[in-house]
This record gives sequence, structure tokens and C-alpha cells, in this order.
Amino acid sequence: KAGVTQTPRYLIKTRGQQVTLSCSPISGHRSVSWYQQTPGQGLQFLFEYFSETQRNKGNFPGRFSGRQFSNSRSEMNVSTLELGDSALYLCASSLTWGAVYNEQFFGPGTRLTVL
Amino acid sequence: AQRVTQPEKLLSVFKGAPVELKCNYSYSGSPELFWYVQYSRQRLQLLLRHISRESIKGFTADLNKGETSFHLKKPFAQEEDSAMYYCALSDQTGANNLFFGTGTRLTVIP
Repeated sequence: KAGVTQTPRYLIKTRGQQVTLSCSPISGHRSVSWYQQTPGQGLQFLFEYFSETQRNKGNFPGRFSGRQFSNSRSEMNVSTLELGDSALYLCASSLTWGAVYNEQFFGPGTRLTVL
Repeated sequence: AQRVTQPEKLLSVFKGAPVELKCNYSYSGSPELFWYVQYSRQRLQLLLRHISRESIKGFTADLNKGETSFHLKKPFAQEEDSAMYYCALSDQTGANNLFFGTGTRLTVIP
């Protein structure tokens, strides 16, 4: 089985721009979660989508949004980029939702640099 | 609020020595705890979870609710254990949001 794929792998943007990141889950997986990883804050949960619905959201401003398509692929969007948004954005997929019983498989991440 | 603390950013041990990576948590409910590992140039992956009571690659972790700890242990470290280790907590809301510690980089010296 192919693993979780994320595109693009690297992005450079300037402040004020917006960006869209894409995540394709493992075939058959219906839940997609997004995390932000920075040296200062570590790994932080952004949101989770299951069956095209946002099921849970972390403590991030409204500039961060996402969606999930009927094929379970997910996108996240960050509008009005700030320097502090520079981070590695990780996507994780699992068969269904509920971290306790469903292993999450992580993608390689998208490295976003905001200049 | 949920919080996971890994007090050691770096940990070095000699091959064959015991290793213990510390993890403490704060959560008012009954959490589920996980250890994730990231080997060099590989993806973050699940190592073990408390609910499975399993031993993976010789690693075990015991949940101590009194001390709110979930330390990861291995009696004899191997060079291939060198990696970044993250402790994570789920608050069992049914969602997939994990709260991660800041990680410990383990180096096993040959």
C-alpha cells in the first residue's frame, strides 16, 4: 500500500499571501488530521476531517482552514501568511476517527517558509 | 488542559546499556498515551500505545497514574534505536487529535 502523500514538499511564500497544501491518505483511510511542527512549539494539532466533515479543531486562528473531498483527500489553506507560519505541516491518516484505537500514519510533511 | 512534558531534549547512552525516556503528562481525565518515533530521514511512526500493552522492538512503557508518567524503557539499547522519540496523549474525545511532547533525541553510542 502506498503511504500518505503530501504535496508540495517545499513551499516558499511571502507575508500576506495564501497557501494550499494537499494530503492524500492511504487507500481506504477516511480520517485525515493535520499538524504543525515548529522548533518552538513542537507538534500541534490543527484539525481533523472525517467523511468530509471537520470533527475537531485545535487552537489556531481562523486563517487556518481545511476541507476533505469525497475521495478522502484533504487540503489545508492558510490565508494572510505570517512569518510565524513557517513550519513543517504534517498530515496523518487513519481508517476512522478516534486516536485510541486507530493508528495514525504520517506523511513526509510540507515544509513552508514564509519570507 | 492537556500537556505532555519530555524533560530531556537529548539523551545519549552506550550500546547495551539500559535506556529510559521520560514522559510526564497533565490531564484531568483518563488519558491514553502513545510513543511515536522518527528515525533519520523517515516519517513519524507509532512505536507503541498504552492500550495495547505491547512491547515493540524491546521497548515497553508503563502508565503510572499516580506519578502521571509514561516512561519508555528498553533494557539493552541498540545503535538502531537512535532516533527522535515523542510522547503523545489522547484525551479520548473520540477525535484523532494527539497532544505531543517536544521530543527526546536518543543517541546510542557504539
